[in-house]
Order: sequence, then structure tokens, then C-alpha cells
Amino acid sequence: AQKVTQAQTEISVVEKEDVTLDCVYETRDTTYYLFWYKQPPSGELVFLIRRNSFDEQNEISGRYSWNFQKSTSSFNFTITASQVVDSAVYFCALSENEKRQLTFGSGTQLTVLP
Amino acid sequence: GAGVSQSPSNKVTEKGKDVELRCDPISGHTALYWYRQSLGQGLEFLIYFQGNSAPDKSGLPSDRFSAERTGGSVSTLTIQRTQQEDSAVYLCASSLQGAVSSYEQYFGPGTRLTVT
Repeated sequence: AQKVTQAQTEISVVEKEDVTLDCVYETRDTTYYLFWYKQPPSGELVFLIRRNSFDEQNEISGRYSWNFQKSTSSFNFTITASQVVDSAVYFCALSENEKRQLTFGSGTQLTVLP
Repeated sequence: GAGVSQSPSNKVTEKGKDVELRCDPISGHTALYWYRQSLGQGLEFLIYFQGNSAPDKSGLPSDRFSAERTGGSVSTLTIQRTQQEDSAVYLCASSLQGAVSSYEQYFGPGTRLTVT
């Protein structure tokens, strides 16, 4: 069965610090998909990124970057030069080729202090 | 374009009553999902519709929960004889769906259900 673990329940940083959110996953499928979502205080889940299991290339989008490592079953998310607007709950999620629904981690509450 | 919409945004009901929650997916999205978010259980999958295929109901917590999707578009989640533990935010998501790939799901704003 699939499982996603986000061991960091809460992280607090000061604005402009870099912060990494950890995500470890378990799956028996050889084809799977990994996602990150942001849930700001308004409550709506916002899609950030999707990664396919066969593509281990890391990705950078502005201040956001993602490090996917199959060897350690991890898909970590780094925010560079954090801003107060980055404060939110961040969820890592997994879907498999046969079961397309998302299995979510428990989320990491990120607070960026001014 | 328009995103996923859900109604009502808030629903307060008495224990034992039935409720219906509605989801309007993004136009053209063939897959539709229902999830539930509660403090104790986090984000849980409930049910998944894909085109004309039989829905995957494996996440429904009891037979009091049911859902349908009419015309491949709008979906309704029904909870019968509501219990206090049904209190949660019910989220709907939709996505494109390919045979060999899984696309990102876009979520609606949710319906906050409170059972008193």
C-alpha cells in the first residue's frame, strides 16, 4: 500500500531564510506520480508541481525547487528566500498508475515571520 | 477559465439528517474525485469517477455515503443519517486523465460540513 510521510509538523523561519520541506513515500508500483500542494489560510488547495517516477530531473521554478531521489524515496521541496506569503500548510502526495487517487502526507505548517 | 466549484460553502445540519454536496468540475476534465479533510484524519480519499467507468468507491467510510456523477460532469455526494464524526471539509477535485499518465488534480474551495 502507498504511504506518504511528512515528518515535519511545523516549521517556523524568518523571512529571507531558505527552508526545506521533507517528503518520504512508499509504493510498490514502478510507475507513480508525486505532487506538492499548498494550502494557504484561505483553505483552497493549490497545485504546485507533479513529478513522474521515471523522471528524476530536479526542477526549479522561481524561488521553489524540488529534489526527487528514488534511491531514498524522497521528494523534498525547498523555498529559497522565503516570504511571509509562503506561510501555509504544504502537502506532499502520491498517486499510482492503477489507483489515481492521491494519498496525502499529513502536511507541514510553514510559518514565515517578518 | 473557471475552476472547480462546490456548493454550499458551509452546511450546518442536525445529527440524523441527510445532506447533499455538489461539485462542478473544470470543463473538459474527465476525472472527478471527492476527498475529506478533518483534523484527526487529514486528507482522505472518498470516491473517484473516470469517464463512463464504474466509480472507485474504495474510500467511502460507510454505506451512509454515496455519490453520483451525472452526464460526466456535475457530481453530488450524499451523506445519509449524518453523524458528528462526519463533520469535516469535503473537497472535490478534477483532472484530465490519460491512459498512461496521471495528471494534476485541481481542487475546489470545499464544503465545510458541521453536524450538531
